[in-house]
Amino acid sequence: EVQLVESGGGLVQPGGSLRLSCAASGFTFSSYWMSWVRQAPGKGLEWVANIKQDGSEKYYVDSVKGRFTISRDNAKNSLYLQMNSLRAEDTAVYYCARVVINVWGSYFDYWGQGTLVTVSS
Amino acid sequence: SSELTQDPAVSVALGQTVRITCQGDSLRSYYASWYQQKPGQAPVLVIYGKNNRPSGIPDRFSGSSSGNTASLTITGAQAEDEADYYCNSRDSSGSRFGGGTKLTVL
Repeated sequence: EVQLVESGGGLVQPGGSLRLSCAASGFTFSSYWMSWVRQAPGKGLEWVANIKQDGSEKYYVDSVKGRFTISRDNAKNSLYLQMNSLRAEDTAVYYCARVVINVWGSYFDYWGQGTLVTVSS
Repeated sequence: SSELTQDPAVSVALGQTVRITCQGDSLRSYYASWYQQKPGQAPVLVIYGKNNRPSGIPDRFSGSSSGNTASLTITGAQAEDEADYYCNSRDSSGSRFGGGTKLTVL
């Protein structure tokens, strides 16, 4: 059974940093692209970042470029999101998701339950 | 435009058919995927590719695409289908979600 379990969320002041983790199990982690997707309170889903199987390619939504870094440790079956210079608008539930990318498109086939990040003074 | 546009809200009578649409330029190049999200829960993939359903998704859910528009159709909507539905597409910068459609089953 595929499982994705996020951790690391919490309350942080504006300008602060936080590192999210996602522990993966039930599949060959090193064979899949992985993603972070977020959802602000009462709002829709927003894709945040993707990382290739070996970490050689990373993509980000414009609003987090230069502030967030996605990474992975295939030996530990873990995905990470380092978030720096946090802003109030980064407040959201952050989901870890497995993503399948091919020539005709992409889709997120498994999701974690999410971890809440609150940026407030 | 790189955005994906969805109607904010749609309603359907119990047992009837409803279509939820998603418009965007990226849909001319890529198939959309569709996600169902109920309050307090993580999203669930319901349709991907040309018209594929993951295991466990009822066959009343189907997908289609034409030009810059992708559609999710629920044939014979059930009370448990009441939820938010989001489309998603790969695009040149990574990925993008539509704004979501709140489906009410009357």
